[in-house]
Amino acid sequence: GQQLNQSPQSMFIQEGEDVSMNCTSSSIFNTWLWYKQDPGEGPVLLIALYKAGELTSNGRLTAQFGITRKDSFLNISVSIPSDVGIYFCAGQDYNNDMRFGAGTRLTVKP
Amino acid sequence: DTAVSQTPKYLVTQMGNDKSIKCEQNLGHDTMYWYKQDSKKFLKIMFSYNNKELIINETVPNRFSPKSPDKAHLNLHINSLELGDSAVYFCASSHGHKNSPLHFGNGTRLTVT
Repeated sequence: GQQLNQSPQSMFIQEGEDVSMNCTSSSIFNTWLWYKQDPGEGPVLLIALYKAGELTSNGRLTAQFGITRKDSFLNISVSIPSDVGIYFCAGQDYNNDMRFGAGTRLTVKP
Repeated sequence: DTAVSQTPKYLVTQMGNDKSIKCEQNLGHDTMYWYKQDSKKFLKIMFSYNNKELIINETVPNRFSPKSPDKAHLNLHINSLELGDSAVYFCASSHGHKNSPLHFGNGTRLTVT
């Protein structure tokens, strides 16, 4: 089952606003990943983080690998309508097992 | 140029039937996976195959059986379908070594009536 706590569960924001979501775990992970799922499609990788403290950007998206290796956050700046979707965090441990958060459902109002 | 493709996209069937879902990847990955996504969007791993060897089976009923004819394919066969099997099933693949992200297919929505 789920071992990651992802929050918030859902967000309703206005176009142009910034968004922040995070994941925490009781376990240490070697890799943190952030995915986005659009309706009717599979999750698509947004950002992969491989080192504690790492801060990585992908366009308007920024994600960080927590220094304790037990958490990660994803920020989206200046949101646009196509940012709508479900965002999943995923942690990969030293056994290469991957666990997913429950997802953050993002709604962007024009 | 689809990296991970699965068929069919939609599958509607009656209880008790047997069905298969096919998956193919052209990424050269050596590990393939099946995930189940329920109505609450939880993603739960079912199986993974590495070099034709099953390495994960997360308490999945034995009515579900993965079959991998080669490294590029991992099919999912389901016997005696039940109502609770209704979900979206995702195939995924990766290089299988540490720190290798998963690449997902677009899912198969299974509805059991």
